[in-house]
Amino acid sequence: QVQLQESGPGLVKPSQTLSLTCTVSGGSISSGSYYWSWIRQPAGKGLEWIGRIYTSGSTNYNPSLKSRVTISVDTSKNQFSLKLSSVTAADTAVYYCARGSVAGPYYFDYWGQGTLVTVSS
Amino acid sequence: DIQLTQSPSFLSASVGDRVTITCRASQGISSYLAWYQQKPGKAPKLLIYAASTLQSGVPSRFSGSGSGTEFTLTISSLQPEDFATYYCQQLNSYPITFGQGTRLEIK
Repeated sequence: QVQLQESGPGLVKPSQTLSLTCTVSGGSISSGSYYWSWIRQPAGKGLEWIGRIYTSGSTNYNPSLKSRVTISVDTSKNQFSLKLSSVTAADTAVYYCARGSVAGPYYFDYWGQGTLVTVSS
Repeated sequence: DIQLTQSPSFLSASVGDRVTITCRASQGISSYLAWYQQKPGKAPKLLIYAASTLQSGVPSRFSGSGSGTEFTLTISSLQPEDFATYYCQQLNSYPITFGQGTRLEIK
């Protein structure tokens, strides 16, 4: 059974960089059948896709965040990571990592439990 | 970006009811649509993908249909554990987008 687990600081100061890691267990992150995504959800609001990375290192980002986002992968640790720079209070949200299918049909089948990140001084 | 609009945003229903949630896309997305269920404090759970394919382990009372710009999620007979928020998601083009959600509550 594949499991994903987010980790990282729960509190980040404004203007600093938010850094989160997603550890994948029960399967290899190097499988070419999947890519790895980050999604966030502000309290009481909907879901926003942040971006994705293939195990090749190729990435796609949401244009609304592209200038501030970097997603990377460490296949040796079975992990992928999110960095979001110059954060403001608007970046306060629960951050989820998820696995997406590369070839159709397309879906996100496994999600982490989510981690709350609060941006505050 | 492709906008997804769900209706209704809020739905009150009783156990045993049949309910339908609609998701409309701002442009055609073929059948590249998925539905998720989210309960408070939990991650979304995949219910349906490719508009109408039931994810393994999901009860058969859930069904999906549609293609192009209009899609529906139907729950044939509501069970107590179905009261949650439901999201549609399009994976036709980037950025991947979600509907605003439909909150299903017990009447």
